[in-house]
Amino acid sequence: QKEVEQNSGPLSVPEGAIASLNCTYSDRGSQSFFWYRQYSGKSPELIMSIYSNGDKEDGRFTAQLNKASQYVSLLIRDSQPSDSATYLCAVRTRGNTGKLIFGQGTTLQVKP
Amino acid sequence: DTAVSQTPKYLVTQMGNDKSIKCEQNLGHDTMYWYKQDSKKFLKIMFSYNNKELIINETVPNRFSPKSPDKAHLNLHINSLELGDSAVYFCASSRTVDQPQHFGDGTRLSIL
Repeated sequence: QKEVEQNSGPLSVPEGAIASLNCTYSDRGSQSFFWYRQYSGKSPELIMSIYSNGDKEDGRFTAQLNKASQYVSLLIRDSQPSDSATYLCAVRTRGNTGKLIFGQGTTLQVKP
Repeated sequence: DTAVSQTPKYLVTQMGNDKSIKCEQNLGHDTMYWYKQDSKKFLKIMFSYNNKELIINETVPNRFSPKSPDKAHLNLHINSLELGDSAVYFCASSRTVDQPQHFGDGTRLSIL
């Protein structure tokens, strides 16, 4: 079992729809969770961080965390073609090194 | 001003050569990281320094050696380059080990 799993996609949604991206992780002791967006040929860009159970909203983005079920998700409302990118889920392992384990990423395509 | 900057952006070299990649951050962060992203876009931690002290040293060939002359700089030296070293190498930094990480633009290394 991979430590952090994502469906590689592509996930295709029409413009204006809600895109839902999911991620599961294996280490129950993980405490910090991050979503990064990576455009083709560019570097990962942090878009959301979440540390406690529940929802966290920032503009059109909502991160959801369920530690009991060991999953974290990202919702993108009113999807735009400019949201088309690969979304990387990252989980910080227990311990005090800051080590992040990344999923393989989900490619999102938003069609006009 | 670029927060995390890497040089060079592109590096094309022959098998067996030795090369270095430099990284500098002007954010005043304590922790810096090196990641490797392979052709399948999987992003994996290699090394991390916190206040110039090595805190993450993943299982990588010992041809790879990081060096942190001060908190703002983290360099990566690679000896005897092999075809499998071709990848994009990202530097990242964070304020402390438990804060979100911010990535540089990457160095695309191609081995001929």
